[in-house]
Amino acid sequence: GAGVSQSPRYKVAKRGQDVALRCDPISGHVSLFWYQQALGQGPEFLTYFQNEAQLDKSGLPSDRFFAERPEGSVSTLKIQRTQQEDSAVYLCASSLARDSGGAPDTQYFGPGTRLTVL
Amino acid sequence: QKEVEQNSGPLSVPEGAIASLNCTYSDRVSQSFFWYRQYSGKSPELIMSIYSNGDKEDGRFTAQLNKASQYVSLLIRDSQPSDSATYLCAVGSPGGSYIPTFGRGTSLIVHP
Repeated sequence: GAGVSQSPRYKVAKRGQDVALRCDPISGHVSLFWYQQALGQGPEFLTYFQNEAQLDKSGLPSDRFFAERPEGSVSTLKIQRTQQEDSAVYLCASSLARDSGGAPDTQYFGPGTRLTVL
Repeated sequence: QKEVEQNSGPLSVPEGAIASLNCTYSDRVSQSFFWYRQYSGKSPELIMSIYSNGDKEDGRFTAQLNKASQYVSLLIRDSQPSDSATYLCAVGSPGGSYIPTFGRGTSLIVHP
């Protein structure tokens, strides 16, 4: 596709409900990142995939958060038993690869999913 | 804990002026530095990346990096009202798989 897409764009959940957020990266992009952005804050790293391998999940705030990318393209971020503090914009970003020096290629962000937990 | 610090602002400048946005970081081994622009309700958009000490210019934008002082800045010349946005500084370090750590952003307002 032309860019990173995310769905749904908006999600309202009752506390305790499970939610699933989807990310479609740019076709051919190897790396995929999930971030959480609270109001007035910068994006906070959650997890990172290279193809289907989840190489870093150190940013996931609790075991209620789970991410997968089973075929190395589309990724899903699942939040179980949502809490009010989970309310935020969830951003997905993808990048083509790493350069020869190991530094990440440019990240392209999707429009985000705004999650509101009541 | 890697930290990236930015003044949240808002920074208000008149149209046509130079806007100067600043960022400091805590991890001395950081090697990659990025400036993103984020309009309200939109996703971040990369506008500059810099990896070496000194200045890097792209159109009206200049990124400046001083690794000794752990300081990176973004200058916007001939500021336009359309530049009004939040500017996010992000810093990547090898110890963190180069995954950038973001600052909280500086809000820039360019008034006519």
